[in-house]
Amino acid sequence: GGIITQTPKFLIGQEGQKLTLKCQQNFNHDTMYWYRQDSGKGLRLIYYSITENDLQKGDLSEGYDASREKKSSFSLTVTSAQKNEMAVFLCASSMGLDTQYFGPGTRLLVL
Amino acid sequence: QQKVQQSPESLSVPEGGMASLNCTSSDRNFQYFWWYRQHSGEGPKALMSIFSDGDKKEGRFTAHLNKASLHVSLHIRDSQPSDSALYFCAASEGTGGYKVVFGSGTRLLVSP
Repeated sequence: GGIITQTPKFLIGQEGQKLTLKCQQNFNHDTMYWYRQDSGKGLRLIYYSITENDLQKGDLSEGYDASREKKSSFSLTVTSAQKNEMAVFLCASSMGLDTQYFGPGTRLLVL
Repeated sequence: QQKVQQSPESLSVPEGGMASLNCTSSDRNFQYFWWYRQHSGEGPKALMSIFSDGDKKEGRFTAHLNKASLHVSLHIRDSQPSDSALYFCAASEGTGGYKVVFGSGTRLLVSP
């Protein structure tokens, strides 16, 4: 079996700061996703990538940038952190349209 | 309006009971559906996928899909306290780069 690693686990930032979250997978999956989850709520798609160097915007891409540096890694940047923002960012991967495998998440708090 | 709507928002069942969760899509292009489960502090984990009309059973879990009514359900028989979690329905058109839309979830509590 494979695993998805997200770093850092917790991220505390300041208002206006640029923050980067990283995701690595060893499933050898083609497709990777970034989702945002607000406290106990549903997942909203920020960006996804169907192959290395590909980027597709999700419904929540404004305020974020993403980068698929290589097949196994997918980074997400919060371009300007909003004061009092608190959310969990989840990374996932899949082989095409198959079942997605999720990482444990990065918990963001902006002071 | 959310494209994937789940009901109820929360559900409480006794241990050993049957839990029934519902999901309705407002987009007729959605052809592929999944159920995911998320325990507190963890990432979601897939329970099952269902792509064809009818029932699909995996252990204590049964999913039912009716594409004509855009409705998919999940039934958990002999519910266990460990089934207490947030359950998500997810759907995709299957084209255009594998975009998947998640519902807002149903919180299930199974009491001993």
